[in-house]
Amino acid sequence: RKEVEQDPGPFNVPEGATVAFNCTYSNSASQSFFWYRQDCRKEPKLLMSVYSSGNEDGRFTAQLNRASQYISLLIRDSKLSDSATYLCVVNPGGSYIPTFGRGTSLIVHP
Amino acid sequence: SAVISQKPSRDICQRGTSLTIQCQVDSQVTMMFWYRQQPGQSLTLIATANQGSEATYESGFVIDKFPISRPNLTFSTLTVSNMSPEDSSIYLCSVEVPGRYEQYFGPGTRLTVT
Repeated sequence: RKEVEQDPGPFNVPEGATVAFNCTYSNSASQSFFWYRQDCRKEPKLLMSVYSSGNEDGRFTAQLNRASQYISLLIRDSKLSDSATYLCVVNPGGSYIPTFGRGTSLIVHP
Repeated sequence: SAVISQKPSRDICQRGTSLTIQCQVDSQVTMMFWYRQQPGQSLTLIATANQGSEATYESGFVIDKFPISRPNLTFSTLTVSNMSPEDSSIYLCSVEVPGRYEQYFGPGTRLTVT
């Protein structure tokens, strides 16, 4: 089992749709969780951290399920500008070395 | 957050030559990382560079091929030595925000080896 697994997609959704991505991780000792966004031919950028209590930032909601070892990202009212690859990142407990998922591609069309 | 610059932004090199990529951060950081990203793939960690110590390389990467310098808390270099076409990739440096585990990336260096 890979350390961090994501459905590569692509997820192809119309503007205004709600879309959700899941990411599973294998190390139960993982402590820190993040979602990054990477636009085509650009560097990854931190989208949001994922806290145990969940995290909401505007149209974006991230949640953590430790029992099932997955994190999720929900995007409401999708915009064309949301089209990108979303990377799930997990830090094992006590380690500064993150593990990146392969990313989920989102395409929002008119 | 941190602002990171990389030089060069892109280069086309001949096989057998070497290229040194520079990474500059606008603040002092302890942890710096070097990644490689092949087209359509996720990031692969090459090494972790801490100031004042030797870089720690991941499996499959060796110092002779990818020597790294970290002379101070705001700067690092990665050299890709004796290049072959398989080294064609995007090379990214990143820094870790102390205590928060968040990473911030430079814009990347797009390397093509012919």
